[in-house]
Order: sequence, then C-alpha cells, then structure tokens
Amino acid sequence: AQSVTQPDIHITVSEGASLELRCNYSYGATPYLFWYVQSPGQGLQLLLKYFSGDTLVQGIKGFEAEFKRSQSSFNLRKPSVHWSDAAEYFCAVGEGWGADGLTFGKGTHLIIQP
Amino acid sequence: EAGVAQSPRYKIIEKRQSVAFWCNPISGHATLYWYQQILGQGPKLLIQFQNNGVVDDSQLPKDRFSAERLKGVDSTLKIQPAKLEDSAVYLCASNSAGGLDRYEQYFGPGTRLTVT
Repeated sequence: AQSVTQPDIHITVSEGASLELRCNYSYGATPYLFWYVQSPGQGLQLLLKYFSGDTLVQGIKGFEAEFKRSQSSFNLRKPSVHWSDAAEYFCAVGEGWGADGLTFGKGTHLIIQP
Repeated sequence: EAGVAQSPRYKIIEKRQSVAFWCNPISGHATLYWYQQILGQGPKLLIQFQNNGVVDDSQLPKDRFSAERLKGVDSTLKIQPAKLEDSAVYLCASNSAGGLDRYEQYFGPGTRLTVT
C-alpha cells in the first residue's frame, strides 16, 4: 500500500525567508504527486501536481516542487514566504490506476514569524 | 463556477445518535469523494462514487457509515450510531472523470462533527 510521510509537524519561518517542506512517499511505481494547502476553516486547495516529465513543477502562489525518484521525495519550496502563507500543507499521492482516491500525509503546519 | 457545497458546516451530537452530511459537487463532475480528516491528520478516503455507482468503499466502516448518490449529483453520508472517535471534519471532493484531470480534486469546506 502506498504511504506519504511528512516528517515535520510544525515549521516556523520568518517572513521573506525561503521555505522547504519535506514529503517522502512509498509506492512501487511512479506515483502521481500533489501538494494541497488548507487555511483555517477552508477546504483544501491544490498548489501543484506532478504526473510525469519535468521533475520541477511550478504551482500557484509562487510555490514549486521537485520530484526526486532516487530519494522518493517531492519537496515543496518557496523562495520568499508571506504572512498569508501560514496554513497547513499536505502532500498526497495517487496510484494512477483504478480508484482515484488520494493518500495524504499528516500535514505540516507552517507558522510565519514577522 | 460554483465550488463544492457542503452542509451543515458544524454539527454536535451525542454518541449513539445519528447524523447526516450533504454534498453538492461542482456541476458536471462525475466523480465524488468523501474523506474523513481527524484532528492532526491528513484526510482519509472513505468512499468514491463515479456517477451513482461506488468505485471504492474499502475504508468505509460499513457497520455504522453509509453513503449514497442516488441521481449521480449530490450525495449524503450518514453515521448511525456515532462514536466518540467519529469526531472529525468530513470533506467532500469532486472532479471530472476524464484523463489525468481526474486526479485534480476540488474540495468543499467540510463539515466539522463533534461527538460528545
């Protein structure tokens, strides 16, 4: 069965500093990978996705992520965070066949310091 | 384009009572999902519908949970009887059925259930 690990429960970053959120997955084949953001009281919003091809993918709100097969990782990055980026971030994986439900990590809570 | 609608937004019940949640997906989306998100965890898929048929309900606790999507549009998720451990946010999501776009799921705001 596939699984997703987000090793950091909380991360605190100063406004304007760079950000990297880690995500590792366990899956036999090439998975479909996603990052979602969840603000308080809001539903999940898709930031970016990876299916195949270029391993560096660009998303909304200035986020990007890099797929590294050798490390089974799909880390999320942003060069300069804004206070509005404070939220919960979830990495998710899809199997790519059969049922399409996603498997999510436990999330990383991002705190922005002024 | 209207998003995924869910109601109610909040619900408090006592254990052993029953509760139902409603979801209306984005117009034209054939696939609908229900996820359970317990505090401090990521969402967990409960059930997936394709039109009005069930595609995957392997993680649905069928002794107490049921879901239906009778006309292939909106859906209801029911818990009867509720347990304390059912306290969670219940998220509904939908997407179109074709190609790789089916992996881009659109989520509603969720229903926060508290069982006391």
